[in-house]
Amino acid sequence: DVKVTQSSRYLVKRTGEKVFLECVQDMDHENMFWYRQDPGLGLRLIYFSYDVKMKEKGDIPEGYSVSREKKERFSLILESASTNQTSMYLCASRGDWPGVTDTQYFGPGTRLTVL
Amino acid sequence: DQQVKQNSPSLSVQEGRISILNCDYTNSMFDYFLWYKKYPAEGPTFLISISSIKDKNEDGRFTVFLNKSAKHLSLHIVPSQPGDSAVYFCAASGGVTGTASKLTFGTGTRLQVTL
Repeated sequence: DVKVTQSSRYLVKRTGEKVFLECVQDMDHENMFWYRQDPGLGLRLIYFSYDVKMKEKGDIPEGYSVSREKKERFSLILESASTNQTSMYLCASRGDWPGVTDTQYFGPGTRLTVL
Repeated sequence: DQQVKQNSPSLSVQEGRISILNCDYTNSMFDYFLWYKKYPAEGPTFLISISSIKDKNEDGRFTVFLNKSAKHLSLHIVPSQPGDSAVYFCAASGGVTGTASKLTFGTGTRLQVTL
């Protein structure tokens, strides 16, 4: 069974703080993704990585950065948290070998509140 | 620009009846479509998928239909059960590997199955 874990389920931070959200997967997947989920907006892709040290911007990368130093770990960084970054953050991973569907496996999410 | 649209934010269906969730897309490069189910405070879980070379895929009570000419897909749940009450996200991708493997999600439809 694929397992994707996220470092915190709930997080409260103050405006201007630097925030790290960690995601770890145990299936040796090449691809990892960070989304945020907001009411009425669905899941929006922030950043993704298709290999170690490789990253690409998603649809809403502003105010975020990422780090992928090891294959199993993908970190999302909020350089200076703002109230409009209050959201549910979801990490996902996906394999990259022939015959596998496009299934992404999601972690449980981190509910971040920025005060 | 919302490339994947779920125009019904909510749907209520009686237990035992059919639930039909709809999804429209605008990007003709999408060739793989998925449905995810999400319970509150949990990450989305994969439900069923369909490749653009097919027009129907079935898995137990769940069937996905794809109409490429109309750029429309639908998820049918028969019979609906109370445990099916969740938010359903439609998603699409333009490829299997690397950067093409990123998913574009719709805004979600909240399904409530009543007794």
